[in-house]
Amino acid sequence: KQEVTQIPAALSVPEGENLVLNCSFTDSAIYNLQWFRQDPGKGLTSLLLIQSSQREQTSGRLNASLDKSSGRSTLYIAASQPGDSATYLCAVKDSSNTGKLIFGQGTTLQVKP
Amino acid sequence: EAGVAQSPRYKIIEKRQSVAFWCNPISGHATLYWYQQILGQGPKLLIQFQNNGVVDDSQLPKDRFSAERLKGVDSTLKIQPAKLEDSAVYLCASSLERGAREQFFGPGTRLTVL
Repeated sequence: KQEVTQIPAALSVPEGENLVLNCSFTDSAIYNLQWFRQDPGKGLTSLLLIQSSQREQTSGRLNASLDKSSGRSTLYIAASQPGDSATYLCAVKDSSNTGKLIFGQGTTLQVKP
Repeated sequence: EAGVAQSPRYKIIEKRQSVAFWCNPISGHATLYWYQQILGQGPKLLIQFQNNGVVDDSQLPKDRFSAERLKGVDSTLKIQPAKLEDSAVYLCASSLERGAREQFFGPGTRLTVL
């Protein structure tokens, strides 16, 4: 049974700092991995999606990497801003590609001005 | 393109009452998902529809939860009777098809059971 874990559960950093969020999964047979952002009281916004054949994806100040063999992904945020404050969730879609996403519990990020 | 719509956005009920949530997916999306997100946890899939048929409802507490997707478009999720532990955000998502690359999420319905 696939399990997804995110560390740390919460993180507080000063503005301008570069930071890394971690995600690990127990079964390497995944179809893809996706990072989402969730603001309080809101739904999920997709940030980056990495197919199982890819090693990384970049969008602006965000870079996500995937190491399937070790069951790990990282989300790197460069030059953090107060507007980056939110909960970040990673989710994997298993290789059976039924469409089901299995989520980690999230990392709540606070960027202080 | 309009996104996934959900209503109501917030609902407060007492335990043992019933409640229903509504979801309208993105036009043309065949697959619809309902997730439950308890505070401090990631979303967990409750049920997945392909058009108006159920693909996966293995984690749906069928003694109290039910869902339908009439005509393969809108969907309703019902809880009857509600328990305290049902307090959560209920997220609806849709995708073009079952194996589509990406799911798109609605804003969610926050349920509080007192």
